[in-house]
Amino acid sequence: AQSVAQPEDQVNVAEGNPLTVKCTYSVSGNPYLFWYVQYPNRGLQFLLKYITGDNLVKGSYGFEAEFNKSQTSFHLKKPSALVSDSALYFCAVTPLRGSSASKIIFGSGTRLSIRP
Amino acid sequence: DAGVTQSPTHLIKTRGQQVTLRCSPKSGHDTVSWYQQALGQGPQFIFQYYEEEERQRGNFPDRFSGHQFPNYSSELNVNALLLGDSALYLCASSFGGAGGFNQPQHFGDGTRLSIL
Repeated sequence: AQSVAQPEDQVNVAEGNPLTVKCTYSVSGNPYLFWYVQYPNRGLQFLLKYITGDNLVKGSYGFEAEFNKSQTSFHLKKPSALVSDSALYFCAVTPLRGSSASKIIFGSGTRLSIRP
Repeated sequence: DAGVTQSPTHLIKTRGQQVTLRCSPKSGHDTVSWYQQALGQGPQFIFQYYEEEERQRGNFPDRFSGHQFPNYSSELNVNALLLGDSALYLCASSFGGAGGFNQPQHFGDGTRLSIL
């Protein structure tokens, strides 16, 4: 079965320190990969996506993600965390890239908490 | 530039009733997707509409149905409501629906549906 795993329910980081939110996937073929963020009582906001090319993808608000095909991972990173980064983060995968038959699978989410 | 708007924001129904949720996509977008987000979980894909047709469907029963209008707005209908249907229902829009989920999605803030 195709799936996306976010192994950490919560990640706690001190402001100014680097952060990593982990995502691994199990799908066939070469998927598109996404990260979204959700603030309380709001919908999801797009952060970044990987299609092809450079394994390090840069996105909004200083976030970046590293694609690793051999480990089937797509970890979200930021060099220096801000308190305002505290939110719920979701990894998502589309198994059939560019196809109208594609569906999308979201991970269960990781709550990121940045302490001052 | 208005983003994705959903109505109503909150709704309370009883078991067995029927409900209709509405979504207006971001200006310029032609594809609408619907998701169910239970408390503490990631969004689950319900279905996607493009050119007024349901193009892809997730693992949801036929009690969940939808419609897309010529102006690209969309409705989600749920019949014979169950307690387990209580969730946040998210609508997302994107452009270029022929490619499925290859484009980033813009989410509304959702409709909170409570079933008593």
